[in-house]
Amino acid sequence: GAVVSQHPSRVICKSGTSVKIECRSLDFQATTMFWYRQFPKQSLMLMATSNEGSKATYEQGVEKDKFLINHASLTLSTLTVTSAHPEDSSFYICSALEGGKETQYFGPGTRLLVL
Amino acid sequence: GNSVTQMEGPVTLSEEAFLTINCTYTATGYPSLFWYVQYPGEGLQLLLKATKADDKGSNKGFEATYRKETTSFHLEKGSVQVSDSAVYFCALTSANSGNTPLVFGKGTRLSVIA
Repeated sequence: GAVVSQHPSRVICKSGTSVKIECRSLDFQATTMFWYRQFPKQSLMLMATSNEGSKATYEQGVEKDKFLINHASLTLSTLTVTSAHPEDSSFYICSALEGGKETQYFGPGTRLLVL
Repeated sequence: GNSVTQMEGPVTLSEEAFLTINCTYTATGYPSLFWYVQYPGEGLQLLLKATKADDKGSNKGFEATYRKETTSFHLEKGSVQVSDSAVYFCALTSANSGNTPLVFGKGTRLSVIA
């Protein structure tokens, strides 16, 4: 099946710093990528939908100025958590969708811990 | 809005036991239904799917039938193995195609002991 990678897999940062998470589709072109957030023992919550070459669409309650999403190419989307705070600590997961296809392929996730 | 409810875990079974993980949904229109599995330390993988009423999705011995009358998509396996230990997520999309995000249930952790 299609492979999606995320980098880094785990990051620890100080409060107030910014962290960038990369999501790459390794063997297909992803016209759409989704970013999810997962709290312990909870479901994946959609944060935003990004389409290559256009601005991301954010879900209600997600601050677009805090969670910057860039989908500059068909194989790469980035999520930057700006001025991170401890409450931003979570598991961030991306998924990628090939144009015209239905199945989303998920990355392994990035665990962010903000001290 | 759309939502998915699945049984709380964790579920602990002995090897070769029968597995059922219940999943019900609320959605407008005709959603597509999915089961994803997350093995320890890995990303989510599509396990099976069904796109219309009465469809049965199956893979690796797992099955789930799209029941519109009961708005359910229960996951079953006749004989589980230790290697099936993982977290299972039921999910739906509100359309059959296009860039539609998934709505997930909370996940059910399954532990199979030898």
